[in-house]
Amino acid sequence: GENVEQHPSTLSVQEGDSAVIKCTYSDSASNYFPWYKQELGKRPQLIIDIRSNVGEKKDQRIAVTLNKTAKHFSLHITETQPEDSAVYFCAASTSGTYKYIFGTGTRLKVLA
Amino acid sequence: ETGVTQTPRHLVMGMTNKKSLKCEQHLGHNAMYWYKQSAKKPLELMFVYSLEERVENNSVPSRFSPECPNSSHLFLHLHTLQPEDSALYLCASSQGGFPYEQYFGPGTRLTVT
Repeated sequence: GENVEQHPSTLSVQEGDSAVIKCTYSDSASNYFPWYKQELGKRPQLIIDIRSNVGEKKDQRIAVTLNKTAKHFSLHITETQPEDSAVYFCAASTSGTYKYIFGTGTRLKVLA
Repeated sequence: ETGVTQTPRHLVMGMTNKKSLKCEQHLGHNAMYWYKQSAKKPLELMFVYSLEERVENNSVPSRFSPECPNSSHLFLHLHTLQPEDSALYLCASSQGGFPYEQYFGPGTRLTVT
């Protein structure tokens, strides 16, 4: 069945450094790729998303890149801050369906 | 509270009990979702309703029974659960059709004893 693989499962970076989280999806029909941030004890919240008609999208310190040929997409966080510490989930979805397939999550720790 | 709300926030139930989880969205969305979140596993989609009609049912055991009386409310009825059903149950809503951002509720932490 469809699945999304996410790596790494944990990531520790020094404050100010960059963090990169990678996801690979299996369904070539997928055309919507959101990233969610879930802080401890809180609900997942969207931080950025990308659709298959673009290769990159940026919002301040956060960017997402998409390689449709390789079926990869990545989250890039620059100038990390302690408040970036959380679990990040990637997901893939397809027009005409209501399925959102999530990755297993990456626990990011930003060390002060 | 605005957005997506869920009650109760915590629930402890025995394997023979019957209980219900409630979700309400105040965003005018027409699709609502139930997810199960377990440690070290991806979010598992359980059910999806669009305009009060169930459009996805991901091989969920019959001890979980969803109900969507209108586009703002979603219930998950629970009966004769197993300890492995202990998890965080998240409700979400979105605009329907082309994939859009999902807004999640705070979740119900369920413990089955």
